[in-house]
Amino acid sequence: DIQMTQSPSTLSASVGDRVTITCRASQSMSSWLAWYQQKPGKAPKLLIYKVSSLESGVPSRFSGSGSGTEFTLTISSLQPDDFATYYCQHEGTFGQGTKVEIK
Amino acid sequence: QVQLVQSGGEVKKPGASVKVSCKASGYTFTSYGISWVRQAPGQGLEWMGWISVHSGNTKYAQKLQGRVTMTTDTSTTTASLELRSLTSDDTAVYYCARGNWNPRGFDYWGQGTLVTVSS
Repeated sequence: DIQMTQSPSTLSASVGDRVTITCRASQSMSSWLAWYQQKPGKAPKLLIYKVSSLESGVPSRFSGSGSGTEFTLTISSLQPDDFATYYCQHEGTFGQGTKVEIK
Repeated sequence: QVQLVQSGGEVKKPGASVKVSCKASGYTFTSYGISWVRQAPGQGLEWMGWISVHSGNTKYAQKLQGRVTMTTDTSTTTASLELRSLTSDDTAVYYCARGNWNPRGFDYWGQGTLVTVSS
């Protein structure tokens, strides 16, 4: 099975910052890469699928990119509602999560 | 609107079994699969398995093979997860999520069901 490693585990940032989260796969993989946002006590929310496709209703400040073994989620200008934990997913494997905290 | 509504929380003793249900509405139930994902307290997301509602085909996480069964009932548009031989490590919030086994992702999620395993 492909393992997914996210970095960093925690990220401290301010409103307006550009934020990048990385997900590395243990081997080269297909375009099956999704990103989710989760807030405390809530179910995850799909943000990005197929590496770079924005889910309907998700703000355009979220974007995804990458190929092979390295993939990124970028938030172009961090908003107060974006402080949450983010997970990448490939098939039956989730990354360990990246918590975005207020600096 | 698409909704996945899960059954209520459960408290079970070690060695027991639990069944969690997920009632789907607002879409054609047989057009999408259902995945089950769990989250232990303070931990990340763990994929448990997936079932095709159309065919009944399943994929289970290797570590749960033999302890987990996923089923669907198209007459009631309900998916179910059964987990047997529970231990304290199975204490978690269990989520169902809609999605086919492809890169489209899991686009709708249930509200979660807390299963507590304690003697």
